[in-house]
Amino acid sequence: NAGVTQTPKFRILKIGQSMTLQCTQDMNHNYMYWYRQDPGMGLKLIYYSVGAGITDKGEVPNGYNVSRSTTEDFPLRLELAAPSQTSVYFCASSPGQKPQHFGDGTRLSIL
Amino acid sequence: GQQLNQSPQSMFIQEGEDVSMNCTSSSIFNTWLWYKQDPGEGPVLLIALYKAGELTSNGRLTAQFGITRKDSFLNISASIPSDVGIYFCAGQIHSGGSNYKLTFGKGTLLTVNP
Repeated sequence: NAGVTQTPKFRILKIGQSMTLQCTQDMNHNYMYWYRQDPGMGLKLIYYSVGAGITDKGEVPNGYNVSRSTTEDFPLRLELAAPSQTSVYFCASSPGQKPQHFGDGTRLSIL
Repeated sequence: GQQLNQSPQSMFIQEGEDVSMNCTSSSIFNTWLWYKQDPGEGPVLLIALYKAGELTSNGRLTAQFGITRKDSFLNISASIPSDVGIYFCAGQIHSGGSNYKLTFGKGTLLTVNP
């Protein structure tokens, strides 16, 4: 049982490049979330999805896009990477109101 | 947006000591959660609280959902070196329809000296 799997684990990007952070879960959870974690801070919600085909903005959505074509996958897209997007990104899933399960994160540096 | 005040920011204790940390909010939450994050990993759920006044234990960990629904605390008894990590509180509210959003505290960094 893999749970929530995030790839890649680490990535370095140049300013202006684009990339997609992958997230997949095998627990058949309807709800999926993307967070960013900056040093000394809690997790900030970027985007979330309550089911396939449905996405909505969280607290800090600017500079990111998401899609949810299947229940399992919830990729996060950065179109024009900026230094302010250097962070650790966590994907999570939950069966509705129940607590969220987190992946191990993607550490992204933009130089 | 909603904010959680988590304290203390960090703690440095001796093995065997008890630990207490708490979160307060100006807003009411329906659920309180406590997570632990080890270096290089994602947060892992420790305890979930669903009712005001609820007191729940998980081994050496005990957490309570404040009666006002605006606060929660986590206690760790007889700390051991593997308790080292960052502890996060999170409040969840049903914001209408199918929205269940979490608001996280900034975390408490716990260091245990063997």
